[in-house]
Amino acid sequence: DAKTTQPNSMESNEEEPVHLPCNHSTISGTDYIHWYRQLPSQGPEYVIHGLTSNVNNRMASLAIAEDRKSSTLILHRATLRDAAVYYCILRVSGAGSYQLTFGKGTKLSVIP
Amino acid sequence: EAQVTQNPRYLITVTGKKLTVTCSQNMNHEYMSWYRQDPGLGLRQIYYSMNVEVTDKGDVPEGYKVSRKEKRNFPLILESPSPNQTSLYFCASSSLTSGANVLTFGAGSRLTVL
Repeated sequence: DAKTTQPNSMESNEEEPVHLPCNHSTISGTDYIHWYRQLPSQGPEYVIHGLTSNVNNRMASLAIAEDRKSSTLILHRATLRDAAVYYCILRVSGAGSYQLTFGKGTKLSVIP
Repeated sequence: EAQVTQNPRYLITVTGKKLTVTCSQNMNHEYMSWYRQDPGLGLRQIYYSMNVEVTDKGDVPEGYKVSRKEKRNFPLILESPSPNQTSLYFCASSSLTSGANVLTFGAGSRLTVL
């Protein structure tokens, strides 16, 4: 199964950019890279996804390595509301089915 | 409003007493999934469904059953709950036609088995 590896925790100062890394060395050509975050006492929420090219949306940017074995979620200016657990996951497809398997994620702390 | 609704949100029960956690989505999504979340273990997938009458095991299916008789509903059944099933449960759904399976999650159901 394709798995992801993330640091357990990271810290950032408020209003500074944050780069959250993710390794997925066993990714296959059709696997999408997804990022979700989970705020305290809430369900996970979608942040961004990509396949091969870098992606931007109103929440974040996703930078994908050329060999696709790693990616980085970029929060351009961290706010206190960005303190959450961030999950990098792969949509793994095969035999007509799909799986989205979460790892333990990275707990981001934002320091005022 | 597009959403995934889980019930109950909180439940305390006793070992062996069958229970069902319901999950309903109003987005006409084909894909639905159940996860459990435990401290230090992140989210682990229990079961998922690609469409009506199509279900498959995730990473931790033991002790659980699911059914998908209607597209909008995907109940999680614990036939004989045990204390190790005390956990926070999340249901999620996504479209399979968009190409990327972006998941929408419910608010969670906290289950305690005594």
